[in-house]
This record gives sequence, structure tokens and C-alpha cells, in this order.
Amino acid sequence: DTAVSQTPKYLVTQMGNDKSIKCEQNLGHDTMYWYKQDSKKFLKIMFSYNNKELIINETVPNRFSPKSPDKAHLNLHINSLELGDSAVYFCASSLTPEFAGEAFFGQGTRLTVV
Amino acid sequence: TQLLEQSPQFLSIQEGENLTVYCNSSSVFSSLQWYRQEPGEGPVLLVTVVTGGEVKKLKRLTFQFGDARKDSSLHITAAQPGDTGLYLCATGDSWGKLQFGAGTQVVVTP
Repeated sequence: DTAVSQTPKYLVTQMGNDKSIKCEQNLGHDTMYWYKQDSKKFLKIMFSYNNKELIINETVPNRFSPKSPDKAHLNLHINSLELGDSAVYFCASSLTPEFAGEAFFGQGTRLTVV
Repeated sequence: TQLLEQSPQFLSIQEGENLTVYCNSSSVFSSLQWYRQEPGEGPVLLVTVVTGGEVKKLKRLTFQFGDARKDSSLHITAAQPGDTGLYLCATGDSWGKLQFGAGTQVVVTP
């Protein structure tokens, strides 16, 4: 059983399009995250949700809109995609925010904007 | 400037050799994590260190937290090709923000 699963694994799209990435965790965790890994492999937090409530928004452009329908799901919608949005996006979860350091990550979604 | 500075950025060694990766900061941390990321996968937690001076072992991997809780090291003994990966140190705050170092890419060739 996959603990944190995200879809799709690969996404190739044109500039200006809107796309969504979905994430689900079956660990019973309260907290979920979106991270972005750039071409230099640097991982940076974008958003964090705790029990469906947004608790971290790291100055991400408002073209990025996360949504958490319940605490097991956290989706990421991106409007008007730009070339610079190309990266690998990781969903993660932890028991609570205090356990952010002990996070479980999904396999990632490689987004390529052309 | 990054909160966590990792060195070296890249390490290529032969199977059977030893290696050490460093994670340094000017800040004091309540805990620090090490993750390993393999190609096409997400990071996987290896260990959490909490106490200054703490040493933890995971098979051939030895993790040390500095006495002042500002730095940490990861030592791999008799490296194997399966140890190849991106090693990341990270630290989280109580609000849920996990910050990563830039990573050390380790390549172990047979």
C-alpha cells in the first residue's frame, strides 16, 4: 500500500494552461504539504495544511491554489502555467505539524511547461 | 543564505570506500533529520537526531549531531552502489515548516 500517492507522475503542458496535481495519504496524518524541487534539486516548502486548514503559505504566486477537501487529500491547482513552473512537485504528510521533520513523501510529479 | 549548508555538493567514490557528508548552520536546532532521495522518487527519512552529541547508527550509516546542536554529519562505511542517492539534511519548526539543505549527491561505482 502506497502511503502518499500523487498523480500524475509526469505532466507536460503548454504555457498558459491550467493543470492540477492530486495527492492522497492513507497514514491517518493530520498534516499535508506541497514542496517544489527545482532543477538544482533544492526542495522548498510551498504550502502546509493541518486538518484541512492552511497553516503555511510560503509566498507562492497566487496562480497556485491548494485545496484540501479532507485531511487525507491535498490537491494543487496551477493557473496560467509559466516556463518557470517547470519542476518536480512533491506532496508529503506528517502526523502533526510538530512532526514536520518526519514526513512521508510521495513519488513526485515532474511538471514540464513548454 | 541558506539555513542549512551541506558539503560537499557532490561525492563520487568506489565501492568499499568510506565517505562523510556534513550539514552545518549558525542556528541551534531542537532536532535535525537526514533523508535520502533516489532518482525518480521522493525523499525517504533515514534518521532524526535530537540530543547534542548524539550518535545513531543505521547499518553502515552513522549519524552524529554536534554538541551545540548546530551541525550534523553522516558517515557511510564500506559504501555500496545501493547507497547512491541525494542525501538531504533538514530541520522543522513546530509550525510544520521543514527546511532542507541543498543536498549532497553521492555516487558509488562498483
